[in-house]
Amino acid sequence: AQTVTQSQPEMSVQEAETVTLSCTYDTSESNYYLFWYKQPPSRQMILVIRQEAYKQQNATENRFSVNFQKAAKSFSLKISDSQLGDTAMYFCAFYSGNTGKLIFGQGTTLQVKP
Amino acid sequence: NAGVTQTPKFQVLKTGQSMTLQCAQDMNHEYMSWYRQDPGMGLRLIHYSVGAGITDQGEVPNGYNVSRSTTEDFPLRLLSAAPSQTSVYFCASRVSQGSTDTQYFGPGTRLTVL
Repeated sequence: AQTVTQSQPEMSVQEAETVTLSCTYDTSESNYYLFWYKQPPSRQMILVIRQEAYKQQNATENRFSVNFQKAAKSFSLKISDSQLGDTAMYFCAFYSGNTGKLIFGQGTTLQVKP
Repeated sequence: NAGVTQTPKFQVLKTGQSMTLQCAQDMNHEYMSWYRQDPGMGLRLIHYSVGAGITDQGEVPNGYNVSRSTTEDFPLRLLSAAPSQTSVYFCASRVSQGSTDTQYFGPGTRLTVL
């Protein structure tokens, strides 16, 4: 069974600085995707960034980028130039292309301080 | 498109009562799923469906039933509510097109079982 682990329950960063959120996963599959979702106080789940396992190049979306280390099964999220609106809970998720299941980590609460 | 809609937004039940959480999407997505979110545990998959007439169990299916009679609707039924089912419930639909694979989440339903 797949597992996703986020070892940092809470983090904080000063506005305009850079922060990295950690995520590790465990799987024996080769066909999978990895996601980072943001959940603000409104509880809506918002897709931040997506990485296909077969791609070696790290995904980037504006201020958000990932460090995908496939052999180490690590998938960290880097937020550059942090903004107050980045304050939210962030979830790492593993999607199995074989079973269609999406498995989430426990989440990391990020607070951006002015 | 309205995206993924869920009703109700809030619900209070007494132990032993039954109810159905509604979920609908207007994006013609084949894949839909239900999650529950509990503090410190992230999101856990309850049930999912890869198309009309097809459903399967996720990580925590006990106490819940689902059906998928149409592509648009994926209701979640609590047969006999228990306090352990107090949680926030999210419905999601997924689209997979080529290299694109994205989950769309509804706004959530906060359920309290007394």
